Amino acid sequence: DGGITQSPKYLFRKEGQNVTLSCEQNLNHDAMYWYRQDPGQGLRLIYYSQIVNDFQKGDIAEGYSVSREKKESFPLTVTSAQKNPTAFYLCASSIRLPHPGLTNTGELFFGEGSRLTVL
Amino acid sequence: GENVEQHPSTLSVQEGDSAVIKCTYSDSASNYFPWYKQELGKGPQLIIDIRSNVGEKKDQRIAVTLNKTAKHFSLHITETQPEDSAVYFCAAKSGTTDSWGKLQFGAGTQVVVTP
Repeated sequence: DGGITQSPKYLFRKEGQNVTLSCEQNLNHDAMYWYRQDPGQGLRLIYYSQIVNDFQKGDIAEGYSVSREKKESFPLTVTSAQKNPTAFYLCASSIRLPHPGLTNTGELFFGEGSRLTVL
Repeated sequence: GENVEQHPSTLSVQEGDSAVIKCTYSDSASNYFPWYKQELGKGPQLIIDIRSNVGEKKDQRIAVTLNKTAKHFSLHITETQPEDSAVYFCAAKSGTTDSWGKLQFGAGTQVVVTP
């Protein structure tokens, strides 16, 4: 089955520790994204990547880092610099990065999310 | 940048009744408006979308309307069923050509369908 796999589903971390969330897709999509979901705030974009070895900051990149060494993989590291890391993290992918001038943009396919709790 | 507001934040309906969720957007250049459904413990999934050159789109019990002049769009669910209980997100895609077509999401609506 094609899809996006996130792991772990639940993660607990002590303050001051870095933690890496895994995201793997077998949809052969070029573009991948990380979103953060907090109650009442919808989905906020952390980082995105449209091609291997290239990624860009989203709206709330501070305290996070990513890599895109393989097309299938886009891991997110939540560093100790992130002031409020407890949240639900969603990884997504699309065929390509949406073009602003085209109305037929690529559908986002989401993983099932990783819930991070900082103790 | 684009700003999307979504109302209501929670919606409780009796099974069989209709549910309506409304979103407004700020960027008149936005040209694509998807709706995502997120069931408990899962990631969001696209359920319907509408492009800026269309005023209404229907798919079985769900429909979406778009009013470009007023910059708002709505999701309509008719004959609601318990399996419609979920969080629904609206989104608007930027049409501004000096950037990429980023999706801006609304804050979400928790829909509860009671039998």
